[in-house]
Amino acid sequence: DGGITQSPKYLFRKEGQNVTLSCEQNLNHDAMYWYRQDPGQGLRLIYYSQIVNDFQKGDIAEGYSVSREKKESFPLTVTSAQKNPTAFYLCASRVRAPVTGELFFGEGSRLTVL
Amino acid sequence: DQQVKQNSPSLSVQEGRISILNCDYTNSMFDYFLWYKKYPAEGPTFLISISSIKDKNEDGRFTVFLNKSAKHLSLHIVPSQPGDSAVYFCAASLTGNQFYFGTGTSLTVIP
Repeated sequence: DGGITQSPKYLFRKEGQNVTLSCEQNLNHDAMYWYRQDPGQGLRLIYYSQIVNDFQKGDIAEGYSVSREKKESFPLTVTSAQKNPTAFYLCASRVRAPVTGELFFGEGSRLTVL
Repeated sequence: DQQVKQNSPSLSVQEGRISILNCDYTNSMFDYFLWYKKYPAEGPTFLISISSIKDKNEDGRFTVFLNKSAKHLSLHIVPSQPGDSAVYFCAASLTGNQFYFGTGTSLTVIP
């Protein structure tokens, strides 16, 4: 079945460590996104990519990094510079603008910093 | 500053009645609006969308209304069912590049 796979579903990290969250899609979508969800704050955009080898910062990119070497993959690295990394992280994809279409989301990854 | 707002954090409705979820936005250039449903620890699932050139879109029990002059969006669920209990997010897009989400409304449908 086509969809978006995020891994791991749960991840624990010690302070000062970098961690990479995986996002893979087989929907043949050009655009991919990373969002963060915190209680009471909805979904906030971290990074997005409209095409391979190109990506743009979202509203809360500080302390995060991404790469887009393949169309199917858009990994997110949470670096030690991120002050409050404990959150639920969601990856999404869609057809490339300007074609209209909804975002398809993965199941999410919950990161907890110990 | 929040460009998409859902001012009601929660809503309770009796089974079989209508649920109305509201959403306001600030950017008049938004041209595409969506509603998502989300369960805890899962990704959001798409419900229904509407283009800014329309004022209503219907899909089964779900209808979305758009009032561009008021910068207001609403989702009507009729009749409400217990399985509709979830958090609902509205989202708005500008040219399909970025999507801005509201803070969500938790809907509880009481059997």
